[in-house]
Amino acid sequence: DAGVIQSPRHEVTEMGQEVTLRCKPISGHNSLFWYRQTMMRGLELLIYFNNNVPIDDSGMPEDRFSAKMPNASFSTLKIQPSEPRDSAVYFCASSLRTPGNIQYFGAGTRLSVL
Amino acid sequence: DQQVKQNSPSLSVQEGRISILNCDYTNSMFDYFLWYKKYPAEGPTFLISISSIKDKNEDGRFTVFLNKSAKHLSLHIVPSQPGDSAVYFCAAASGGGADGLTFGKGTHLIIQP
Repeated sequence: DAGVIQSPRHEVTEMGQEVTLRCKPISGHNSLFWYRQTMMRGLELLIYFNNNVPIDDSGMPEDRFSAKMPNASFSTLKIQPSEPRDSAVYFCASSLRTPGNIQYFGAGTRLSVL
Repeated sequence: DQQVKQNSPSLSVQEGRISILNCDYTNSMFDYFLWYKKYPAEGPTFLISISSIKDKNEDGRFTVFLNKSAKHLSLHIVPSQPGDSAVYFCAAASGGGADGLTFGKGTHLIIQP
């Protein structure tokens, strides 16, 4: 299996622009997670889906952030409008939603908002 | 409020010796704990896990110890090898690990030759 695939790997944009990050989970996994890594806050959970349904979005920082999972093989995280403080590495992970299961991470998208 | 804490931002260990990475947590609802390893420009990679019903789990050179009364876990790597140089994240979850993870801020382990 190719693992969790994220695109783009790097994104540089200007403040105010819309940014869309993409994730393809491991085939057969039914849970998908979005995390953000910053120097100040470390790795923090933004939102996760189970069977394409958002379960917990309490980590989403503001209404400027939204996430969708239209099918089992694709998810997006959108920031509109983007701000410099959104600069971070965004990770997607997937797992089988069973106790004791492991989350597998993608390589991340490094976002820079100028 | 940090629910998972790794108080050592970095740790330097000589090759062949034991590396001990520590992690403390505050949330009593956590019942599943994991360690992830991360190289630069890559995503975290799962290393080893432990359920709260156990106090030790071993996998090759890696052993995780859990002390529930102290809300403390540790990762032992023995013997340490140069390829072990990476950032190690402690993570915790409730519900047996089926939900999202709460991560510590990581410890940068440096193995010196």
